[in-house]
This record gives sequence, C-alpha cells and structure tokens, in this order.
Amino acid sequence: EAGVAQSPRYKIIEKRQSVAFWCNPISGHATLYWYQQILGQGPKLLIQFQNNGVVDDSQLPKDRFSAERLKGVDSTLKIQPAKLEDSAVYLCASSAFRGANVLTFGAGSRLTVL
Amino acid sequence: AQSVTQLGSHVSVSEGALVLLRCNYSSSVPPYLFWYVQYPNQGLQLLLKYTSAATLVKGINGFEAEFKKSETSFHLTKPSAHMSDAAEYFCAVSLLGNEKLTFGTGTRLTIIP
Repeated sequence: EAGVAQSPRYKIIEKRQSVAFWCNPISGHATLYWYQQILGQGPKLLIQFQNNGVVDDSQLPKDRFSAERLKGVDSTLKIQPAKLEDSAVYLCASSAFRGANVLTFGAGSRLTVL
Repeated sequence: AQSVTQLGSHVSVSEGALVLLRCNYSSSVPPYLFWYVQYPNQGLQLLLKYTSAATLVKGINGFEAEFKKSETSFHLTKPSAHMSDAAEYFCAVSLLGNEKLTFGTGTRLTIIP
C-alpha cells in the first residue's frame, strides 16, 4: 500500500511569512495526526483528526497555526505568521481507526524560518 | 498524564556488540509502549509495540524489548549491532483506546566499525 505522502519536503521562509503543508494519509485511514519535531526533541502532537472532525488540538498554537481536513482524506497545516521557533520537521501520520495503536508516519516537511 | 524518559541522548556501540537503549515510563494506568526508529531525512518507522500481551516483544530487524512493570522500564535491545542500525530511536507511550503518542527525546545510535 502507498505510504503517507507529505509536501513540500523542505521549505525556507522568513519570519512573519506564511507556509502551508499538505498530507495525504494511507487510503481508508480515518485518523490523521500532525506532529511537530524540533531538532533534538521527540515529536509533539499538534492536532488529531477523526475523519474530518478534530479530536485533540490542545497543543496547537491557535493564534498562528491552523489545520483542516475538509473531506476526511487529505489535510493541510498552515502557519501564519511564522516565528523563528517554528523551525522544525512537521510529521503527518495516520491510523486505520481510533485505538488501532499503529501509526504510519510520512517523511515529514522540514521548515526553516529565518 | 503519561510520559517516557530516554536515558542517554547518544549511544555508541561497536559493530557486533550488544545494543541497549533505555526507556522508562510514567503512567497512572497500564500503558501501551512503542519503539520507533528514524533514519536521516525519513519519517518514523515502528520497530515494536507492547500492548499488554507478552512482556517480551520482538520487533523488526532483530530488535526486542521487555516490559518490566516493577521497574517501569521498556528497554530496547539487539544482540549484535549492524552498521545499518545507525539511526535515532524514540520510545513512546499511549493509553488504552487512545493512540495519541507521547514521545521521549530520542537516542541517537552510532555504530563503530
């Protein structure tokens, strides 16, 4: 089966600019996650979707980050305006259903904010 | 809330030697525990998982981990290191019925020829 697709793989922007990342999960996977991985740290969950509904966005900085999954398939994560501390790898993951306990990760989108 | 602590941000072992990566967890309820591996410029790949069945869990690439409730540990081992094992390894925890993963800070494994 095809894996989790993410784009772009790399993005360099200046602070206060905006950026968007796209994720296409494994076909049929109902649950989708966005994680932020800052250099030297473990991934941190930003938002979890079940189909097109938000399950958990408690760690999403909502003043600048937004995410959507309109048709319950692919998803977009947006940052506006970006800060230096947003430099990180943004990982998308999906699982077949809640409680499946197996997440498949994409390769990630590396953001550098100058 | 659940958490994991990985002891040692960098571990170096000689090729053919034992690999031991340490992970301790904290959870108020029985946890699910995972080890993921991340190769450079790639996403995370599941090595193995513990979901309350057998306490000794075997994973891919010859890795295994043992759940020890009394020590709140889930250390990852491999009897003989291979050059291809060089990567970053993450321990993670989740709770029954909720696959939200909480990750440790990772351990970078270097294999010395």
